[in-house]
Amino acid sequence: NAGVMQNPRHLVRRRGQEARLRCSPMKGHSHVYWYRQLPEEGLKFMVYLQKENIIDESGMPKERFSAEFPKEGPSILRIQQVVRGDSAAYFCASSPIPGQGSNTGELFFGEGSRLTVL
Amino acid sequence: AQSVTQLGSHVSVSEGALVLLRCNYSSSVPPYLFWYVQYPNQGLQLLLKYTTGATLVKGINGFEAEFKKSETSFHLTKPSAHMSDAAEYFCAVTFSTGFQKLVFGTGTRLLVSP
Repeated sequence: NAGVMQNPRHLVRRRGQEARLRCSPMKGHSHVYWYRQLPEEGLKFMVYLQKENIIDESGMPKERFSAEFPKEGPSILRIQQVVRGDSAAYFCASSPIPGQGSNTGELFFGEGSRLTVL
Repeated sequence: AQSVTQLGSHVSVSEGALVLLRCNYSSSVPPYLFWYVQYPNQGLQLLLKYTTGATLVKGINGFEAEFKKSETSFHLTKPSAHMSDAAEYFCAVTFSTGFQKLVFGTGTRLLVSP
């Protein structure tokens, strides 16, 4: 499967624990985006990364949330000291390098990681 | 800044009836517009997109949308609904391929009855 891979698909954490969500972009894609979908709401942009560089994190909560996309391995969204309000579906998307001929403007989404905080 | 408004959080149609899902956008520069579909507990799948050129765009599963600059709209239509069309539909906007922070609407849930 050459699509965007996210894991785990489902994650249950107790308040105060840490959640780590992983995303491997499509083959050939170098840019990763994280979105959050709260129940009965649309998708809210969180952060946009390329390898070893955060390009835009304007949608990230100021505390407890961080993201990285290392030179090797998947992108990781980390939530420390989770609270019940963090319960949501977290979607990762990827794209080719913006401005390249192969880039037609769309994002390719994974199937999401659903976090439940007890 | 870009924004998207989807009128109607829920739309109900009968099987075989016309599907019309509304999307209006706000953008200070020419927009790129997208419709995505989300089935329960799944990710988002691109239905269709408008970047440049023909304003009527056709997508998968018989859906199409028309970009109307004068009305700042990008409504999604399908002539005849099928039960398998029941899903959540999201309209999204960005303004270039230079930076693709897609801004999504709040979604419209399409219900199809027999």
